[in-house]
Amino acid sequence: DVKVTQSSRYLVKRTGEKVFLECVQDMDHENMFWYRQDPGLGLRLIYFSYDVKMKEKGDIPEGYSVSREKKERFSLILESASTNQTSMYLCASSRGSDGANEKLFFGSGTQLSVL
Amino acid sequence: SQKIEQNSEALNIQEGKTATLTCNYTNYSPAYLQWYRQDPGRGPVFLLLIRENEKEKRKERLKVTFDTTLKQSLFHITASQPADSATYLCALDNFNKFYFGSGTKLNVKP
Repeated sequence: DVKVTQSSRYLVKRTGEKVFLECVQDMDHENMFWYRQDPGLGLRLIYFSYDVKMKEKGDIPEGYSVSREKKERFSLILESASTNQTSMYLCASSRGSDGANEKLFFGSGTQLSVL
Repeated sequence: SQKIEQNSEALNIQEGKTATLTCNYTNYSPAYLQWYRQDPGRGPVFLLLIRENEKEKRKERLKVTFDTTLKQSLFHITASQPADSATYLCALDNFNKFYFGSGTKLNVKP
């Protein structure tokens, strides 16, 4: 089974701090994703990476950046955390070569609170 | 932009009945549509995928339909059980990026 591991389950940070959320997958997947999930808004795509060092913006990239230096690891960076970035952050991966069979595998999520 | 709508109200049904959840979308034509299950505090888990040229797909007690004219998918759970209680999300692919609805919470009462 594919395993997507997010480094922290819960995280509490202060406004203005630089925050790193780490995600690792163990199935050699090409594609990796960062979403945030808020009540009533569902999952919103922040960034997407389709290869090492390659990235694309999702719907809500403002205030975030990403890094993919190795295929298995995709990091989300909050340059200067703000209270409106308090949310559940979900990392996912997909094979990238399955065409119409492509599906996402998610980590368990990181609940980030910015105080 | 893409818009994916799921009934935000929780669906409460009695054990043994069929649960039917709806996913409507606008503004584009996906090649396929997916359904995921999410339990509290966990990430979504893939359940089923249906392609645009398929009308219906089944997997055990699950059935999905896809009407590209109506831009709608229906997700059915037959003989529902309390263990089916969860939030169910539909997702659409757009060039390998996946967009999700906000999900419908299903409560199956014994």
